[in-house]
Amino acid sequence: DTAVSQTPKYLVTQMGNDKSIKCEQNLGHDTMYWYKQDSKKFLKIMFSYNNKELIINETVPNRFSPKSPDKAHLNLHINSLELGDSAVYFCASSLIPGGNTEAFFGQGTRLTVV
Amino acid sequence: AQTVTQSQPEMSVQEAETVTLSCTYDTSESDYYLFWYKQPPSRQMILVIRQEAYKQQNATENRFSVNFQKAAKSFSLKISDSQLGDAAMYFCAYRSEGGGADGLTFGKGTHLIIQP
Repeated sequence: DTAVSQTPKYLVTQMGNDKSIKCEQNLGHDTMYWYKQDSKKFLKIMFSYNNKELIINETVPNRFSPKSPDKAHLNLHINSLELGDSAVYFCASSLIPGGNTEAFFGQGTRLTVV
Repeated sequence: AQTVTQSQPEMSVQEAETVTLSCTYDTSESDYYLFWYKQPPSRQMILVIRQEAYKQQNATENRFSVNFQKAAKSFSLKISDSQLGDAAMYFCAYRSEGGGADGLTFGKGTHLIIQP
């Protein structure tokens, strides 16, 4: 069974559309994250959720909104997509917020806005 | 805010040889954790090795080992007996002791090429 799964793996859409990326983890972890990897491979955190509460929100446009229906899911909804949103988006989870606990990553969603 | 610097955008090594990837970081914290992640062409992020800042002993995982120099804020990764499957992007990452709420702070990565 996949520990952290994201759908879809690839997403091509037009500017101005609204889209969602789903993420589910079956590890029983308390904390989930969304990271963005740009065209130069740089990874940067966007959001994290701990026990369904948003505990950090980096300076991302408010067109991006994380939604967590339960501890095992953290979906990413994006409104009014722009060309600059094209990137690979990774979902991740960890057992606890701190320490040396490993962050498990999903396989990424490559979003292309045309 | 913490920063992580990987000064080698690309490294190349002959198969079976040893290669060292560099990483430095900047922090005012005394307790933290450092990681190396591997990202092969499949895009999957895979943990290679981790180090607790309070431990003086360098972490090792089979062919992978680190040289952790806390005073110098340096955390290099050594790969021994390089194999073709080691070809990937390697990311150095930092996490605060205070909480993974900040997630991982990544360096910009080093692209490792293995020459057969």
